[in-house]
Amino acid sequence: QKEVEQDPGPLSVPEGAIVSLNCTYSNSAFQYFMWYRQYSRKGPELLMYTYSSGNKEDGRFTAQVDKSSKYISLFIRDSQPSDSATYLCAMRKRAGGTSYGKLTFGQGTILTVHP
Amino acid sequence: NAGVTQTPKFQVLKTGQSMTLQCAQDMNHEYMSWYRQDPGMGLRLIHYSVGAGITDQGEVPNGYNVSRSTTEDFPLRLLSAAPSQTSVYFCASHERGETQYFGPGTRLLVL
Repeated sequence: QKEVEQDPGPLSVPEGAIVSLNCTYSNSAFQYFMWYRQYSRKGPELLMYTYSSGNKEDGRFTAQVDKSSKYISLFIRDSQPSDSATYLCAMRKRAGGTSYGKLTFGQGTILTVHP
Repeated sequence: NAGVTQTPKFQVLKTGQSMTLQCAQDMNHEYMSWYRQDPGMGLRLIHYSVGAGITDQGEVPNGYNVSRSTTEDFPLRLLSAAPSQTSVYFCASHERGETQYFGPGTRLLVL
């Protein structure tokens, strides 16, 4: 069983829709949670970074963490065709020693927003 | 400020050949990592470094070697390429506890 599970989709939505992307994890040692966006044939870029349970908002994006359920989500409001990309969740264990360098990624969800 | 650069962008190898994937960063980051990305697998950590002269294994280290003689460079060596190493390889750098910056990737095909 993978430590981090993410539905690979693909997910296709109309422009303006609310998109919900999710990841579950099995290891309670994960303390830091990230969402990366990856356009086709490009490297991933960080969208959201959270530590505690709860919500964090940045423009049209909201990251949600529920540590008790080991579940994280990314919501995209008013989705745009430019949001079409692969979205990867990633997480890291508590800071210390060499753990800073170790990210564990989900499989990635392919999102297409059509006009 | 170029960020993280990777060369080559694309490479074709025959089984058994060796090669080095280059990665450089100009942000003076302490930490650097190598990942591979395969369909349906997300990114998996191969090796990482917490500073010049210090490296450690990630999730899938077999068949790969790394060394870090300078802060800027973190090359990844394939000792004897195998078809299973066909993948897209990403290098990343970051400061302790901060976001990782990824390079544009190297697409490797092993025949």
